[in-house]
Amino acid sequence: SSELTQDPAVSVALGQTVRITCQGDSLRSYYASWYQQKPGQAPVLVIYGKNNRPSGIPDRFSGSSSGNTASLTITGAQAEDEADYYCNSRDSSGKVFGGGTKLTVL
Amino acid sequence: QVQLQESGPGLVKPSQTLSLTCTVSGGSISSGSYYWSWIRQPAGKGLEWIGRIYTSGSTNYNPSLKSRVTISVDTSKNQFSLKLSSVTAADTAVYYCARGPPELHPWGQGTLVTVSS
Repeated sequence: SSELTQDPAVSVALGQTVRITCQGDSLRSYYASWYQQKPGQAPVLVIYGKNNRPSGIPDRFSGSSSGNTASLTITGAQAEDEADYYCNSRDSSGKVFGGGTKLTVL
Repeated sequence: QVQLQESGPGLVKPSQTLSLTCTVSGGSISSGSYYWSWIRQPAGKGLEWIGRIYTSGSTNYNPSLKSRVTISVDTSKNQFSLKLSSVTAADTAVYYCARGPPELHPWGQGTLVTVSS
């Protein structure tokens, strides 16, 4: 089973741009999807496929991929973006999640 | 708009079988080419994918749980279910159901299952 590696914590100043990364061999073959989870709430899909946002997700969220690394970028981070972010991709048995990144908006 | 809701006992004794159901509303579980998944999250920890089922009944499980997991679907009730056998305290977690993969969307609100005597 493959693994996906994320930085445990990242911080960003209000209104600035932040990139959250996810590394893993499966990302060379499959796109990552990204989930935002706020305390006490279920995860919410924010990015999927090449760079797609579900309805209702602000366009400040974007995704990209290069080699074995997928990235979630928030352009102009807002206070409400403070949350845990998880990447998810396919592996040989089904699906695997990254360990999560706690984003702090300063 | 499709919505998912988990249900089942919130307390399970060690060595017993955890059983949860996910009810899908706002659309038929059989419509479209969708998988349906279970995911769990121990308190303060990350997400763990448990497994998925296609409406045909085809399943895939997390290798670390495969020997104890069964996921089934009941299209007549618009539900899919999770059974996890021989539970221990390590199986205490919030359990979520979701539509997908490839992307998991939407998710249910989650249900806390505690394993304790």
